[in-house]
Amino acid sequence: DGGITQSPKYLFRKEGQNVTLSCEQNLNHDAMYWYRQDPGQGLRLIYYSQIVNDFQKGDIAEGYSVSREKKESFPLTVTSAQKNPTAFYLCASIALLRGNTEAFFGQGTRLTVV
Amino acid sequence: KQEVTQIPAALSVPEGENLVLNCSFTDSAIYNLQWFRQDPGKGLTSLLLIQSSQREQTSGRLNASLDKSSGRSTLYIAASQPGDSATYLCAVTGSARQLTFGSGTQLTVLP
Repeated sequence: DGGITQSPKYLFRKEGQNVTLSCEQNLNHDAMYWYRQDPGQGLRLIYYSQIVNDFQKGDIAEGYSVSREKKESFPLTVTSAQKNPTAFYLCASIALLRGNTEAFFGQGTRLTVV
Repeated sequence: KQEVTQIPAALSVPEGENLVLNCSFTDSAIYNLQWFRQDPGKGLTSLLLIQSSQREQTSGRLNASLDKSSGRSTLYIAASQPGDSATYLCAVTGSARQLTFGSGTQLTVLP
């Protein structure tokens, strides 16, 4: 089945620790995105990538880092510089070069600082 | 900068009622508009995608319209059911293929 897989579903981080969230897609989509969702709020863009080995900062990139070494994968690292990382993180992908630009989302990773 | 607003923030209706959710955006230079459903603790499920050249899309009991010039979209749900209870999110895609989201409408359909 084609889709986007995020792992893990739940993640716990200690103070001062870096953690990495995984996002893999087998849809052959060009663009991939990371969003953060806080309770009662909409989604805010962290980083996005439209091509391998290239990525752009979104609205709230501070304290986060990404890489895009393969078309299928777009991992997000939450660094110790992110002071309030507890949130729900969602990964999405879009096919850029075809007429249908529908966005597809993974099931999310809930990150909690302990 | 694109801003997306959804009204109302929450809505509670009895089963069987027809309802309308509203979405407005400030920059009409959009590539498309997409409506999503989100269940608690879950990811987003795409409901309807309207390209900028289209006026509406329909899927089952759902109908979404787009008036790009006025910066508005509506999602119409016919004959609502308790299973429709969820948060509904509107997102517009700009020329850079970034999605900008509204804060959502939390819908509760009472049996």
